[in-house]
Amino acid sequence: GQQVMQIPQYQHVQEGEDFTTYCNSSTTLSNIQWYKQRPGGHPVFLIQLVKSGEVKKQKRLTFQFGEAKKNSSLHITATQTTDVGTYFCAGPGRGSTLGRLYFGRGTQLTVWP
Amino acid sequence: GAVVSQHPSWVICKSGTSVKIECRSLDFQATTMFWYRQFPKQSLMLMATSNEGSKATYEQGVEKDKFLINHASLTLSTLTVTSAHPEDSSFYICSARSPGTGGVGVYEQYFGPGTRLTVT
Repeated sequence: GQQVMQIPQYQHVQEGEDFTTYCNSSTTLSNIQWYKQRPGGHPVFLIQLVKSGEVKKQKRLTFQFGEAKKNSSLHITATQTTDVGTYFCAGPGRGSTLGRLYFGRGTQLTVWP
Repeated sequence: GAVVSQHPSWVICKSGTSVKIECRSLDFQATTMFWYRQFPKQSLMLMATSNEGSKATYEQGVEKDKFLINHASLTLSTLTVTSAHPEDSSFYICSARSPGTGGVGVYEQYFGPGTRLTVT
């Protein structure tokens, strides 16, 4: 299936520091989606990016989609303890797998006060 | 937003028995649902795509005779783990696709709360 690579796997920051996770695909993506999974919980949809070079913001979260639509990033400004969780990017399948989502391995964010 | 429920939330069964997990879309119709499994501290691995009224489509390496999927209505898909073994112990999560706002072919997925299966 579609391969989506995500780094880093883990990130530990002190509250107030910034955080960024990166997602990369070897093929062009029609869109990319981001999800957050709290410890013990299930993934929750955050946002989807569709357009080349698109930038979207949700309060302290900034999402970017690369010009070539092969990479994406999520940046959190001034992290808070409520940001703890694993952040996944997900890319859609192509052709016969259109409509399916293939997840990156996720970046587990730990924030200490 | 769209709500997806999953039942049971956790189950313990003996090796060799079968377990059925239900996934329901509560406030929307889902012609397509997805089943994932997730091992601790790992990503979600897509197992199969469940299509209402037709056979499920399984990802490579997933045994369709072991993981039986039935999507009998627009709001319900079930996953049955047959002859479960300890290595089947995992977190199983379903999701339902809801039409997004990004245009044709762009859909976000809404996840159920997951079912933690432990096979002893």
